[in-house]
Amino acid sequence: NAGVMQNPRHLVRRRGQEARLRCSPMKGHSHVYWYRQLPEEGLKFMVYLQKENIIDESGMPKERFSAEFPKEGPSILRIQQVVRGDSAAYFCASSLLAESYNEQFFGPGTRLTVL
Amino acid sequence: AQSVTQLGSHVSVSEGALVLLRCNYSSSVPPYLFWYVQYPNQGLQLLLKYTSAATLVKGINGFEAEFKKSETSFHLTKPSAHMSDAAEYFCAVSEQSGGFKTIFGAGTRLFVKA
Repeated sequence: NAGVMQNPRHLVRRRGQEARLRCSPMKGHSHVYWYRQLPEEGLKFMVYLQKENIIDESGMPKERFSAEFPKEGPSILRIQQVVRGDSAAYFCASSLLAESYNEQFFGPGTRLTVL
Repeated sequence: AQSVTQLGSHVSVSEGALVLLRCNYSSSVPPYLFWYVQYPNQGLQLLLKYTSAATLVKGINGFEAEFKKSETSFHLTKPSAHMSDAAEYFCAVSEQSGGFKTIFGAGTRLFVKA
């Protein structure tokens, strides 16, 4: 049983381009979370999604960032018109249930570099 | 809002020595607490979690943590460090608000000297 899959693992974009990060949760998991990790910092919550629904996007920047988790296919984190400050590692996690005590399983991350 | 504070961004121990990584939390309700480990260029892996059962929680790789409500602490320990324990460790608390999100501490990087 494969774990959480993220691709690409590394992504380089020039300022102003779009970055599209994909996350496939563990089999049977319908809850997906996105986190951002800046160098030398912990993970910061961005958004929590269930299939076709955004449940909590309180950590998402108001502009340029969006996320979706369609009925079919992976969850997508999209960053439009990237800037150098968007350079970070972006981690996706999934869980079987939504309860607070549930373990989240993390993917290996996508490392975004904005030139 | 819940928060987590990890004391010491870097901890260095000798191989075979005790590992102690400190974590304090703030929460207005009984928390769920976690310790995760991150190896270089990898995602996070759960070491252990506290969910209001036993206050002493045993995890993988010989790690354990004790929940102390009076001190609002959840320190991570291992009796004898191994070189393979060198990694970054994150303490986290979960918060439920129409789903849930996990609040992470800033992390503690553990160095193990031969």
